[in-house]
Amino acid sequence: QKEVEQDPGPLSVPEGAIVSLNCTYSNSAFQYFMWYRQYSRKGPELLMYTYSSGNKEDGRFTAQVDKSSKYISLFIRDSQPSDSATYLCAMTVGSGGSNYKLTFGKGTLLTVNP
Amino acid sequence: DVKVTQSSRYLVKRTGEKVFLECVQDMDHENMFWYRQDPGLGLRLIYFSYDVKMKEKGDIPEGYSVSREKKERFSLILESASTNQTSMYLCASRDRFGYTFGSGTRLTVV
Repeated sequence: QKEVEQDPGPLSVPEGAIVSLNCTYSNSAFQYFMWYRQYSRKGPELLMYTYSSGNKEDGRFTAQVDKSSKYISLFIRDSQPSDSATYLCAMTVGSGGSNYKLTFGKGTLLTVNP
Repeated sequence: DVKVTQSSRYLVKRTGEKVFLECVQDMDHENMFWYRQDPGLGLRLIYFSYDVKMKEKGDIPEGYSVSREKKERFSLILESASTNQTSMYLCASRDRFGYTFGSGTRLTVV
């Protein structure tokens, strides 16, 4: 079983839809969770960062963590064509030494159609 | 904003050449990373460094080496480039809130 599983999609939705992106993980030591957005031919950029279980909201984006189920989600409300990108989940066990290494999902390709 | 700069966006090299990919960050971060990204395989960690002159192998270090002589600069070296090293190479530096990535270098080995 891979440490982090993410459905690669592709996912295609109409403008204005609510998008749900998900990752599951197997390592219960993961404590910090991130979502990155990567536009075509660009490097990933950090979108959301969360530590605790529960929801964290930032504008149209909500990150959700359920540590008991080892499941994280990213919700995008009122999706826009500019949200079309690959979304990668990432997680780490903590800080210090090799614990700085992030483990990434393979990414979900999202297209929002006007 | 943290800036991570990779010296080249596109590179074409010949098989057997020694290739240097340079990465510079401007925020005094201790931790820096090199990944390669391939379709269907995602991001794979090649090497990382958590201090000057310190390095650790990632998941796929074979055929690569790294150099970190100064805190701001982390170089990836392909000792003898091969066609299976054709890929997008991404450098990142890290603070407590996650990674900041460079724009990537798309390397083609012919």
